Amino acid sequence: NAGVTQTPKFQVLKTGQSMTLQCAQDMNHNSMYWYRQDPGMGLRLIYYSASEGTTDKGEVPNGYNVSRLNKREFSLRLESAAPSQTSVYFCASEVVQGGATEAFFGQGTRLTVV
Amino acid sequence: QKEVEQNSGPLSVPEGAIASLNCTYSDRGSQSFFWYRQYSGKSPELIMFIYSNGDKEDGRFTAQLNKASQYVSLLIRDSQPSDSATYLCAVRLGGSYIPTFGRGTSLIVHP
Repeated sequence: NAGVTQTPKFQVLKTGQSMTLQCAQDMNHNSMYWYRQDPGMGLRLIYYSASEGTTDKGEVPNGYNVSRLNKREFSLRLESAAPSQTSVYFCASEVVQGGATEAFFGQGTRLTVV
Repeated sequence: QKEVEQNSGPLSVPEGAIASLNCTYSDRGSQSFFWYRQYSGKSPELIMFIYSNGDKEDGRFTAQLNKASQYVSLLIRDSQPSDSATYLCAVRLGGSYIPTFGRGTSLIVHP
């Protein structure tokens, strides 16, 4: 049981380059999230997907796009990277069942845009 | 102003003491509350969730919720150096489906 797997773990991009961050979970969770974490700012939601086939904007969606490819996979795309997108990115999945919440984060992607 | 507020700390406590971490939130209609632990350089880990007023205990951890006063606390009894981490509070504000995170409180447990 791998949980939530993110790739890559580290990435350096030049301004204007594009890339896709991959996320997959094997826990059959309906909900998936993409966050960014910057020093002193906590976790800020970029996009989320409540279920397969649906996606919605979070607090800081500008400059990003997402795809919920299937129930397992939720990818985040930067079309034209900017230095302001230098951050640590986390994918998370979640399910609420039987009055309990189960939530897991991936190991994170450290992205630097130069 | 962030809708979920935490003191950034650091909160420093001696080993064996009780660490008390607090979180306030803006929407009185909020229903779901979560505490995550994040070690330096690692991803957040869910350690507690609470939905009802009162206390919820799990091992050395107790979550306390007071909806009237709009705060949720995390108590860590018999604190250990391994508890040193940043603790993130998250709240599903009002009727929102998505959790809003506070900026976290850094806890240092010194031997």
